[in-house]
Formats: sequence, C-alpha cells, structure tokens
Amino acid sequence: SQTIHQWPATLVQPVGSPLSLECTVEGTSNPNLYWYRQAAGRGLQLLFYSVGIGQISSEVPQNLSASRPQDRQFILSSKKLLLSDSGFYLCAWSGISGLAEYNEQFFGPGTRLTVL
Amino acid sequence: RKEVEQDPGPFNVPEGATVAFNCTYSNSASQSFFWYRQDCRKEPKLLMSVYSSGNEDGRFTAQLNRASQYISLLIRDSKLSDSATYLCVVKKYQLIWGAGTKLIIKP
Repeated sequence: SQTIHQWPATLVQPVGSPLSLECTVEGTSNPNLYWYRQAAGRGLQLLFYSVGIGQISSEVPQNLSASRPQDRQFILSSKKLLLSDSGFYLCAWSGISGLAEYNEQFFGPGTRLTVL
Repeated sequence: RKEVEQDPGPFNVPEGATVAFNCTYSNSASQSFFWYRQDCRKEPKLLMSVYSSGNEDGRFTAQLNRASQYISLLIRDSKLSDSATYLCVVKKYQLIWGAGTKLIIKP
C-alpha cells in the first residue's frame, strides 16, 4: 500500500531563517506530487506540483521554491522566511490515470509552520 | 468572485439531523468534482467523488448540477463522528479547493 511521509510535524522559525520541508512517498512509482499551504480558516492553496524528477510547476509567485531530486521525494524550501509564510503545509500525491476525474489526491500529515 | 465558494459555517446540528452543504464553482469547463473531509489539525481525506448522475455512499449523497455550476452534499442521520470541515473541490487542470464548511454535531 502507498504511504506518504512529511516531517517535521511542527516547526517554529524566526523571520529571515531558511526552511526545508521534506516529503516522501512509498509504494508507488512516478506519482504526481503537490505542495499546498493552508492558512487558518482558509482553503488549500496549491504552491507547486511536479509530474516527474526535476520538473516543477509553480502556481503562486513567492519566496518559496520546490525541488524533486528523486522520483518519490519532494522538498519545499525557502532562503528567508516571512511572517506570511506561517501556515499548514501539506504534501500530496496522485497516481497517473488516463481518466483525469479519478485523480484523487492523498495527503501527508502536514507540517504546521509558525514564523515569528 | 472565488473559483469555489462554500457556505461559511459553522453548522451546529443535533445528532441524528440531516445536514446539507452547498458549493458553487465559477469555471464551467470544470471536469471533476469531489468532497473531502478534514478533521481538526489533520490532513484532508477524500469523502466521495461527485458524478453527473449523483451518487450515494451510505448516509452520504452527492449531487452535481452542471447547468447551475452547483454541487451539494447531504448527510443523513448525522453522527458525532461526522464533526469535521467539509471541503468542496473542483478540478479542471488542478484541484481548486473551497474554504470548507465546519460541521459540529451536538449530542
């Protein structure tokens, strides 16, 4: 069965510090991978998605970046955190299907980031 | 206008009642529709996909009206364990998420 791991679960960082969040998927090959952010009381905002190693699409311009160094590894980074970067960061994967409507996304447990 | 709009909530409902969630979407070319459930401080999990003909899964019924660009979720005989935030999700190329409606079931 497939599992998705994210760490850390909780993170408190000062403004201006760097960030690295890691996500790994097990039990599937060549998944689509996604990074979302959820602000308190808000819907999920897609930040990045990747359909393969080294391929990253950015949905929202910001001071964050993403990388996919391996098939089942997705990393979210920042060189200098802002207060507005606080939120709940979720990694998700979906399988590749010829029928787009069946692309359910499966989420990791998330990282709750507080920037002070 | 938001791409996906949901009732702001929260809904406070007695156990055993029927609850209806509404959702509208702005992109008429949207192809797929889902309801996700998110427990407090947890990740979202798929509750059910929404098909054009409507579909039912136990106490849960989902309906889609493409002409009105409207999706609904009905929960019958609500349980305490149904308390969560319900997220409406619409897909064209990527998933577009509503802000969610929080449901609180009271004993």
